[in-house]
Amino acid sequence: ENVLTQSPGTLSLSPGERATLSCRASQRVNSGYFAWYQQKPGQAPRLLIYDASSRATGIPDRFSGSGSGTDFTLTISRLEPEDFAVYYCQDYGDSAWTFGQGTKVEIK
Amino acid sequence: EVHLAESGGGFVQPGGSLRLSCAASGFSFSSYWMSWVRQAPGKGLEWVANIKHDGRDKFYVESVKGRFTISRDNAKNSLYLQMDSLRAEDTAVYYCVTGGRPPSWGRGALVTVSS
Repeated sequence: ENVLTQSPGTLSLSPGERATLSCRASQRVNSGYFAWYQQKPGQAPRLLIYDASSRATGIPDRFSGSGSGTDFTLTISRLEPEDFAVYYCQDYGDSAWTFGQGTKVEIK
Repeated sequence: EVHLAESGGGFVQPGGSLRLSCAASGFSFSSYWMSWVRQAPGKGLEWVANIKHDGRDKFYVESVKGRFTISRDNAKNSLYLQMDSLRAEDTAVYYCVTGGRPPSWGRGALVTVSS
């Protein structure tokens, strides 16, 4: 089982600031099957990034994904009020999927 | 456009059974692995089960092995999750998810296990 560890657990930032979220895997990940999601209370996860760096349809370009192997990063270049939420990384390249525990981006 | 609609959620007592269904449209269902992912109240996302496109291979998280069964009917573009011997810790929103690139998610179905 590939364990995904996200850091930090909580990120306290102000609108307009840059957010950098990390996801580290215990085993090498196939970048073609690595994704990032945003989730707000009461809503289903919203796909932001797939293939480690491809933006999903309709996702603003302030969201970007990078990384390979065991280290991946989600960057939000300038936080908008609607970006404060919980973010999850996902490895879906194997027969068993794994998710990170989540990073909460909160308003400072 | 991919559309996934879960149904069959509800309230059940511990030890009971429930069957979730997921109706798929907008893509070639029979060509994709399909999955169930759940989220307990206030918790993170947890993968539950995967099924290969032809239904021959199935994989489960350890905590549901022997109790849950994933299946599919490619002729009906439908995915299922039979949940038996339910426990309080199975209480969650259950999402139907495609194994495609990119993956697509349904809106989820709430399952509550309580006495």
